[in-house]
Amino acid sequence: AAGVIQSPRHLIKEKRETATLKCYPIPRHDTVYWYQQGPGQDPQFLISFYEKMQSDKGSIPDRFSAQQFSDYHSELNMSSLELGDSALYFCASSDRQASSYNEQFFGPGTRLTVL
Amino acid sequence: KQEVTQIPAALSVPEGENLVLNCSFTDSAIYNLQWFRQDPGKGLTSLLLIQSSQREQTSGRLNASLDKSSGRSTLYIAASQPGDSATYLCAVSGYGNKLVFGAGTILRVKS
Repeated sequence: AAGVIQSPRHLIKEKRETATLKCYPIPRHDTVYWYQQGPGQDPQFLISFYEKMQSDKGSIPDRFSAQQFSDYHSELNMSSLELGDSALYFCASSDRQASSYNEQFFGPGTRLTVL
Repeated sequence: KQEVTQIPAALSVPEGENLVLNCSFTDSAIYNLQWFRQDPGKGLTSLLLIQSSQREQTSGRLNASLDKSSGRSTLYIAASQPGDSATYLCAVSGYGNKLVFGAGTILRVKS
């Protein structure tokens, strides 16, 4: 079965650079979520999209922006990178229309290292 | 604001033991609760999902229970194996469907 795809898997950037993370949800899933997991921490919700519209927003810095495209893939854009942005970034997808319990399926993550 | 707590923070057991991981949450208005497994530096593998209307779910050697009114869930692992060694995360989904995670329980099963 197809899973959530994230690219790139690893990314190394310098401070103040920009980064773009991509997420391809499971086919026919209509909702995408982004989470950030810092070293030794639990995942924290950043932002979600349902049918290409932002549906919820968490602790996402103003330097970050995201969108969901017509093919349902999503991109997380991160500017003016800081050392503290080094983390694992997970994307998850769900089929909100199919069920009320909305199980989320996670991708393998993108490991971002800011030097 | 929803808060999720997991106890214990770490657990070390000999192979073959049955064990229980605990999860509690402060706001009982949840849609579902998911248990995940995470190996070091890796992604999140969903183990079990319990809908808010359910009391328990089973998958192989894993059994998860949910008491929504008291804000508690337990993950029971039977006959533990060294391959079960990982971090186990509990997460609840409420309004907006975002998941709120606990800090996890680091499990080590010794052979």
